[in-house]
Amino acid sequence: AQRVTQPEKLLSVFKGAPVELKCNYSYSGSPELFWYVQYSRQRLQLLLRHISRESIKGFTADLNKGETSFHLKKPFAQEEDSAMYYCALQNSGYSTLTFGKGTMLLVSP
Amino acid sequence: NAGVTQTPKFQVLKTGQSMTLQCAQDMNHEYMSWYRQDPGMGLRLIHYSVGAGITDQGEVPNGYNVSRSTTEDFPLRLLSAAPSQTSVYFCASSSQGRYEQYFGPGTRLTVT
Repeated sequence: AQRVTQPEKLLSVFKGAPVELKCNYSYSGSPELFWYVQYSRQRLQLLLRHISRESIKGFTADLNKGETSFHLKKPFAQEEDSAMYYCALQNSGYSTLTFGKGTMLLVSP
Repeated sequence: NAGVTQTPKFQVLKTGQSMTLQCAQDMNHEYMSWYRQDPGMGLRLIHYSVGAGITDQGEVPNGYNVSRSTTEDFPLRLLSAAPSQTSVYFCASSSQGRYEQYFGPGTRLTVT
């Protein structure tokens, strides 16, 4: 069965510090992985997709198939990055997602 | 475009009551899904639909019913509410062949 693991419930850093939110997955095929973000009192929105290899709001994520990981990184955290971050794996058939339990990122001034 | 809309925003039910959470999208998306969000559990899939007239169960379907008579609407029915169904419910939609899911603002449900 496919699974997404986010080992940290909470990550607290100071502004300007590097950030790494960990995500590991279990999937037998070729995975489609995403990071979704939920800012306070806002709806979930897509942050990154692994295939696009884009940098959104300074965040990047690299798929490491050997380590089955898709960690989210940012070199210098900003206060506005404070949010709940979910790693998600696309289910076969492309219509739904399997989510990790989420990591709350708090960036202090 | 309003995107994905959900009503109500908040609801309090007593154990045993029934109700329907509404979800609508105006993007002509084929796929629609319901998730519940619980602290420490992330989002879990309840039911989903790949088109009008087609629905299937997700990870946690018990106690919920769905139907999809139109492309736009995907209501979620709680048959007999239980305290374990206290949660935040999110509806999402996506287009066939496209990867991004669009989420609604959520419905916060409390069952006492």
